[in-house]
Amino acid sequence: GAGVSQTPSNKVTEKGKYVELRCDPISGHTALYWYRQSLGQGPEFLIYFQGTGAADDSGLPNDRFFAVRPEGSVSTLKIQRTERGDSAVYLCASSPRGTGTQYFGPGTRLTVL
Amino acid sequence: TQLLEQSPQFLSIQEGENLTVYCNSSSVFSSLQWYRQEPGEGPVLLVTVVTGGEVKKLKRLTFQFGDARKDSSLHITAAQPGDTGLYLCADASNFGNEKLTFGTGTRLTIIP
Repeated sequence: GAGVSQTPSNKVTEKGKYVELRCDPISGHTALYWYRQSLGQGPEFLIYFQGTGAADDSGLPNDRFFAVRPEGSVSTLKIQRTERGDSAVYLCASSPRGTGTQYFGPGTRLTVL
Repeated sequence: TQLLEQSPQFLSIQEGENLTVYCNSSSVFSSLQWYRQEPGEGPVLLVTVVTGGEVKKLKRLTFQFGDARKDSSLHITAAQPGDTGLYLCADASNFGNEKLTFGTGTRLTIIP
C-alpha cells in the first residue's frame, strides 16, 4: 500500500517568505507527527496530531510555525517569515494509534536563501 | 527531555567486517527504538526493545538493551554495502504521547 507522502520534495525560498509543506499520511492512521532534521542531526519533534487536534505542539520553535490537520488526514506545516535557520529536512510520520510504530515520509528539503 | 548520545558519530569499514554502534542516555528508557535512514528517505524502524537485558536479532543485526535500560548497542556481522546509512536510536517512552526523541545518529559507510 501507499506510504506517507510529502510534497514538495524540495522547496527553495527567500528569507521572509511564507511556505507550506504538505503531508499525506497512510490511510487510516490517526496519529500524525512533524519532525525537523538539520544537517548531521537526528530528527527533532515539532508537533503531534491525534485526529484533527494538536495533542502536543511543544516542539514548535516559535510562533512563526503552525500546523493544521482539518479533516484528520492531510496535514500542512506552515512557516511564516522564513529565516535561513529554518533550512532543514521536514519529516512527517503517521501511526496507527497505540502501536508505537511511526512510518516516515521521505521529507521536504527546505532551503531558505 | 532525555539526551541521547550515539557513538561513534561516523564509521567507515570494509565489507565483511563486524561493527558495533552505541546509544547512551542520562535517564532510563521505558522503550527504545533503532532506525536506519538512507539519503533522501525518512527513517525506517528496525526494532523496539523494552526489557532490560533484552537481545533481538534481525538477520545480521543484533540489538542489545542494557540491564539498567540506559544504553543500547547495535552489532552488525559481516557488513554489506546495503548496510550503509544513518543509524538512529530513539526514546519511545512517552506513554500516551508517542513522540520520539532521537539521538544524534551514527553515519555508517561500508566500503565494497
